[in-house]
Amino acid sequence: DAKTTQPPSMDCAEGRAANLPCNHSTISGNEYVYWYRQIHSQGPQYIIHGLKNNETNEMASLIITEDRKSSTLILPHATLRDTAVYYCIVRVARDSNYQLIWGAGTKLIIKP
Amino acid sequence: DGGITQSPKYLFRKEGQNVTLSCEQNLNHDAMYWYRQDPGQGLRLIYYSQIVNDFQKGDIAEGYSVSREKKESFPLTVTSAQKNPTAFYLCASSIGTLSYEQYFGPGTRLTVT
Repeated sequence: DAKTTQPPSMDCAEGRAANLPCNHSTISGNEYVYWYRQIHSQGPQYIIHGLKNNETNEMASLIITEDRKSSTLILPHATLRDTAVYYCIVRVARDSNYQLIWGAGTKLIIKP
Repeated sequence: DGGITQSPKYLFRKEGQNVTLSCEQNLNHDAMYWYRQDPGQGLRLIYYSQIVNDFQKGDIAEGYSVSREKKESFPLTVTSAQKNPTAFYLCASSIGTLSYEQYFGPGTRLTVT
């Protein structure tokens, strides 16, 4: 299965853009990259997903490199409420279904 | 409000006892999932269900059992065969297993001593 590698922690100043990197060098051509975040002791929240092209929604932007071996999640104007663990995930095909393979995530701390 | 409820939020049991964790959703989703999360780690899939009366094992199904008798409900039983049951358990649902977004409940923290 494709696996993801993320830095264990990062800091970002409030109001700045937070750029969270992820490596997924063994990803296959039809495997999507997902991002979720988890605020302490709560259920994870979906942020964004993509396959090849860059994606943007109201929460974030996802930049995927052309070779698909890495991606970056961008929170354009970080606020204190964005402090959370951010998971970069690969969706793999398993037994005629799809499964999300979760890494250990990056703990993002937004500082005032 | 639509969503997923898990109860209780904290659960304590003695070793050797079976315990059932509740998960209910009113989102009219077909697919439901159970994950386990250990400290500092990502989620690992225990079981999932695509439709009523059907479920499949995930990566760490040993020592767990599930049922899906109703679309809204997907209870998880942690049996005495599970060697390390203390963990944070998360239930999720999605429109289908092919759909992009899974919606998560607030989780149940199980402590077995």
